Amino acid sequence: DAKTTQPNSMESNEEEPVHLPCNHSTISGTDYIHWYRQLPSQGPEYVIHGLTSNVNNRMASLAIAEDRKSSTLILHRATLRDAAVYYCILRSGGSQGNLIFGKGTKLSVKP
Amino acid sequence: DTEVTQTPKHLVMGMTNKKSLKCEQHMGHRAMYWYKQKAKKPPELMFVYSYEKLSINESVPSRFSPECPNSSLLNLHLHALQPEDSALYLCASSHRTGSMNQPQHFGDGTRLSIL
Repeated sequence: DAKTTQPNSMESNEEEPVHLPCNHSTISGTDYIHWYRQLPSQGPEYVIHGLTSNVNNRMASLAIAEDRKSSTLILHRATLRDAAVYYCILRSGGSQGNLIFGKGTKLSVKP
Repeated sequence: DTEVTQTPKHLVMGMTNKKSLKCEQHMGHRAMYWYKQKAKKPPELMFVYSYEKLSINESVPSRFSPECPNSSLLNLHLHALQPEDSALYLCASSHRTGSMNQPQHFGDGTRLSIL
């Protein structure tokens, strides 16, 4: 199964944009890129997903590199509530589409 | 508020006890999942149910026994657990298994402590 690499932690200031990187150099053509986040004392929460094109929703934007070997989750204006662990996950047929969580990036937001 | 409800939120049990964790969703999803999450670690998949049938068991010890009595309910029966089984147990659901572009919806978990 294709793996992802994320920084262990990142810091951001409140009301500023945040760019969370993810490397997935062994991604296959049919793998979807998913992002989930887990706030303290809560279960993971779906954020966004994409295949080839950039995606936007009310929570975030997902920028996917042209070669698909990396992607970036963009939070346009961080709030204190965005402090969480962010997981970048590749969903592939090899894992029957199941979520295989890596270590994720712990995002801290400073007021 | 999540659309997947797990009860109880906390559970303390001895190693000889029998208890059950419950999970409920009313989104019409036909795939349901159990995950285990140790402190400061990512969630790990335990079981997958598809249309009320067990489709994946990730080599979980038999002291964990899942059950899916109907499309809305998922149980995890616990018996003779060990202290290392203390963890957060997460339930999730999705429209169906094998769909790579459908999200999973998670509950907030049951925090289990084994004495």
